[in-house]
Amino acid sequence: GPKVLQIPSHQIIDMGQMVTLNCDPVSNHLYFYWYKQILGQQMEFLVNFYNGKVMEKSKLFKDQFSVERPDGSYFTLKIQPTALEDSAVYFCASSLGINTEVFFGKGTRLTVV
Amino acid sequence: QQQVRQSPQSLTVWEGETAILNCSYENSAFDYFPWYQQFPGEGPALLIAIRSVSDKKEDGGFTIFFNKREKNLSLHIKDSQPGDSATYFCAAAYTGGADRLTFGKGTQLIIQP
Repeated sequence: GPKVLQIPSHQIIDMGQMVTLNCDPVSNHLYFYWYKQILGQQMEFLVNFYNGKVMEKSKLFKDQFSVERPDGSYFTLKIQPTALEDSAVYFCASSLGINTEVFFGKGTRLTVV
Repeated sequence: QQQVRQSPQSLTVWEGETAILNCSYENSAFDYFPWYQQFPGEGPALLIAIRSVSDKKEDGGFTIFFNKREKNLSLHIKDSQPGDSATYFCAAAYTGGADRLTFGKGTQLIIQP
């Protein structure tokens, strides 16, 4: 079936540094999402993105977070600067439209030390 | 306050039995309820979903029973197989919610051969 690819699968970064998480969504999809999952907790919505713009963001989407999809390539989540509480698994997802199936990637485990 | 609750946290059943996974929600505006299946090291994958206009949805050996008045639903896995061993997430969204999914914490299902 359609695949959402996330690179890298695991990243370790020093607190205060910048990190960019990359996502290659399903090729004809138009809506893109990031979710965050802290170990042992549920996945929580961060942000969704359509037509080059953020449509909606949750209160977990701090000012240090930003998303973009330059030149229609990777959909990225940038955190600058990182904090210890940013350690989590970040899942990228995409869908063809609103109210259509959402496909998830395998996640990137971010460890901030 | 957790918007979507799942129980039990962990469930073990024998091969061939029916596994029953429960989910309840708080927000009456939710009208779309997908269940996701996740294997270790993989991203969550849509298994089956129901809209609030229905009270039952079947797909192969998977059935969702939905009770709008009680704000709960359950996933029944009939004739369970060891390959069904995974974590199952109940999620909820509302029309016009830009596919902002609210997830439960998941039920870890183990099927004993």
